[in-house]
Amino acid sequence: EPEVTQTPSHQVTQMGQEVILRCVPISNHLYFYWYRQILGQKVEFLVSFYNNEISEKSEIFDDQFSVERPDGSNFTLKIRSTKLEDSAMYFCASSEAMTGGGYTFGSGTRLTVV
Amino acid sequence: SQQGEEDPQALSIQEGENATMNCSYKTSINNLQWYRQNSGRGLVHLILIRSNEREKHSGRLRVTLDTSKKSSSLLITASRAADTASYFCATAANDYKLSFGAGTTVTVRA
Repeated sequence: EPEVTQTPSHQVTQMGQEVILRCVPISNHLYFYWYRQILGQKVEFLVSFYNNEISEKSEIFDDQFSVERPDGSNFTLKIRSTKLEDSAMYFCASSEAMTGGGYTFGSGTRLTVV
Repeated sequence: SQQGEEDPQALSIQEGENATMNCSYKTSINNLQWYRQNSGRGLVHLILIRSNEREKHSGRLRVTLDTSKKSSSLLITASRAADTASYFCATAANDYKLSFGAGTTVTVRA
């Protein structure tokens, strides 16, 4: 079964540093997403991406965050100047079409900011 | 917000019993989805039910949707220890981003 692959599985970073979280969506999927889950809290939508541009973003997704699809296979989330409160599990997801079909989520990257 | 809210927050059952959890939401939806998450792991898509559907089955899973009450239920029949996980409902409106509830933690005792 096709998978969404996320790397690394766990990232520890110093406060103020920049991190890049990487995702390889399913190859024939066109829509890509980042969600995050702070420990013990709900899964929250961050951003959706289609046709090489952001289609929607949440209030959380401010100037500190950016996304990119640099080479047609990878989909990255960059977090600049990390803060303690950015510590969370970050999930990448992809879907074949934006028809509200089932999403395929990656297994997540646990980001710990110290 | 159209976020789903599950209840109960936690459920403990004996292996072989059925587990039922409910989800309520606030605004009109295109579809509602259920996901499973094992501790500290990723989200696994279980089942999707569209707003014009009332019931759907997948293996030991049965999902119902009542759009008049803005609620859904997930039934897991003949539970197994491997069903121990957190279960989340997620709603999708016309913008299709998912809004997740806080989840129901299910523990299946052997």
